[in-house]
Parts: sequence; C-alpha cells; structure tokens
Amino acid sequence: SYELTQPLSVSVVLGQTARITCGGDNIGRKNVHWYQQRPGQAPVLVIFRDMNRPPGIPERLSGSNSGNTATLTISRAQAGDEADYYCQVWDSSAFGGGTKLTVL
Amino acid sequence: QVQLQESGPGLLRPSETLSLTCTVSGDSISSYSWSWIRQPPGKGLEWIGYIYYSGSTNYNPALRNRVTISIDTTENHYSLKLDSVTAADTAVYYCARRDNDEYFFDSWGRGTLVTVSS
Repeated sequence: SYELTQPLSVSVVLGQTARITCGGDNIGRKNVHWYQQRPGQAPVLVIFRDMNRPPGIPERLSGSNSGNTATLTISRAQAGDEADYYCQVWDSSAFGGGTKLTVL
Repeated sequence: QVQLQESGPGLLRPSETLSLTCTVSGDSISSYSWSWIRQPPGKGLEWIGYIYYSGSTNYNPALRNRVTISIDTTENHYSLKLDSVTAADTAVYYCARRDNDEYFFDSWGRGTLVTVSS
C-alpha cells in the first residue's frame, strides 16, 4: 500500500507562514487532497487536486506538489487555523498520519 | 447542500456487531460514492470502505473480513456493519461523500462515537 508521511507537529507564529508537508514515493505524480480538522469537529476538505480550493476556503491556504513532497501552505496564520491537517492521495483512500498545527 | 448524519448504538460489548446508518439529505444518494471513515480517540483517520450507488464496494484490506457496507437508494441512506468488535474498534465513526472522479471526501457527517467495552 502507498504510504504517506507527515510531521507530527508544526508551529507557526501568528501572522506568519506555516508549511505542512506530506511525503510519498513520487507523490508529485499523484493528485493530493488536504483536510483540516479543528478540535472536536469533523474533517473539512481544504485543498483538492494539489492546489484547488473548495468554495469558502480562504486564499491563504494553498497547495503544491512536486517530486516526493506535497505541501500545504497557510499564509498569515490565524488562531483559527490551529487544527490537525491530513493529506490523502487520489488513488488511495488512505490518509497521512496527520500534522498538528500550533499557532503561537 | 448535502448533509450526512450518522446514527446507531454508542456502546457495544466485545464480540458484538457494530451497525451504523448514514442518512443523506440535500442530494440523491444515486450518484457519487459513499464512505465510512473512523478515528480512534487521539489518533488519525482510518478509511474503512466505500460503496457506489450501484452497490459495488471497496474495503480497507485491514478490515475486509469483518466489514459490510450496504446502500438503500430508496431511503437515501447507507449502512456499515463491523463484526466481532474489540476495544480497538472504539472510535468516532464518520460517513462521508466521495467524489467519483478525484476520490476526495467533500462532505462529512458530524461523526458518532462508538465505544466497545465489557
């Protein structure tokens, strides 16, 4: 099965830029989706097909994917961005292990 | 806008069968595919399986021998059965809609906690 590797945690200073990575063998050849899960809530799709945002997702969230790493970038981080983030590739329903984003 | 709502018992004894239903409103279940995903307390997301509106299914290999997902297009709901549960099956269970082309999960239920304890 295809494995996705995420850092357990990432910290960012309020107003700065956070980058959350998702590693996989030649992941750049796959479409990657990202989910945000705030504490006590269900996950929400925030990026699909590497870099596309569903309606209602702010432009501060963006995605990229190349080589062996996909990246979710959160610009001008806000307190409300504090959450767990999960990646998923399009041809596997499995998720990465998740990354806890802390906004300092 | 589609809404999904899980329902079913919240407490089971070891060896019992977990049975949950996901009721879909705001959209016909006769399109897309429909999934179950779970999350043990304090842990990450685990995909359980999905079913197409046609009835064909695909299950997580780790759970395949215990899982059955079925669909009722007339009632606009689908169901999960997980046999012979243990404490390791304690989790929040989510139902989610799965896009047929890009395979992302674009709408989720709120989740329901199922606890397995003697």
